[in-house]
Amino acid sequence: TQLLEQSPQFLSIQEGENLTVYCNSSSVFSSLQWYRQEPGEGPVLLVTVVTGGEVKKLKRLTFQFGDARKDSSLHITAAQPGDTGLYLCAGMATGGGNKLTFGTGTQLKVEL
Amino acid sequence: GAVVSQHPSWVICKSGTSVKIECRSLDFQATTMFWYRQFPKQSLMLMATSNEGSKATYEQGVEKDKFLINHASLTLSTLTVTSAHPEDSSFYICSASGNRLQLTEKLFFGSGTQLSVL
Repeated sequence: TQLLEQSPQFLSIQEGENLTVYCNSSSVFSSLQWYRQEPGEGPVLLVTVVTGGEVKKLKRLTFQFGDARKDSSLHITAAQPGDTGLYLCAGMATGGGNKLTFGTGTQLKVEL
Repeated sequence: GAVVSQHPSWVICKSGTSVKIECRSLDFQATTMFWYRQFPKQSLMLMATSNEGSKATYEQGVEKDKFLINHASLTLSTLTVTSAHPEDSSFYICSASGNRLQLTEKLFFGSGTQLSVL
């Protein structure tokens, strides 16, 4: 079973602060995705990273895929209350037929 | 982008009854659909994978007789929670994977169904 551990599990910060969420595994993934989910809704895809060492930016969000494709990080600059939500990483197994393994999740709360 | 519709959004039922949840791909053919279960503030746990026209593959620990999955067409999969009990109360989410080349690496998620069993 492939496990994806996210840290921290919970994070409560003030508006304007920076933060980093980590997603770690001992398994190699063909690609890794980050999602954001709000209560009562399905997860929304933020980004997909495919190449080891890849860095992608989405406005104030920066995503990095580890060189060995076993881990990833999400960095948010100048967090805003609208960033509040559950952040999930999910790895696509090599040859896994689109089967995603979700990380343990990071609950982020950004306060004014 | 591709859209997956999940219905109902929420359902309340009495203990012992069965509940059916539908997952439809609206603008693409979904060769594979996945069903997840999620408890409050926790991650998604994969329950089963269903391929059109064949039996679903269940993850370890998921009772196939309890959670019946049907994927009779390329646009519809259903999850039936049979003889529901309060411990089955949870948020259930489906996702679909298309067979078009550009969709191969992407999954599209439904909006989820909150099940409350009294």
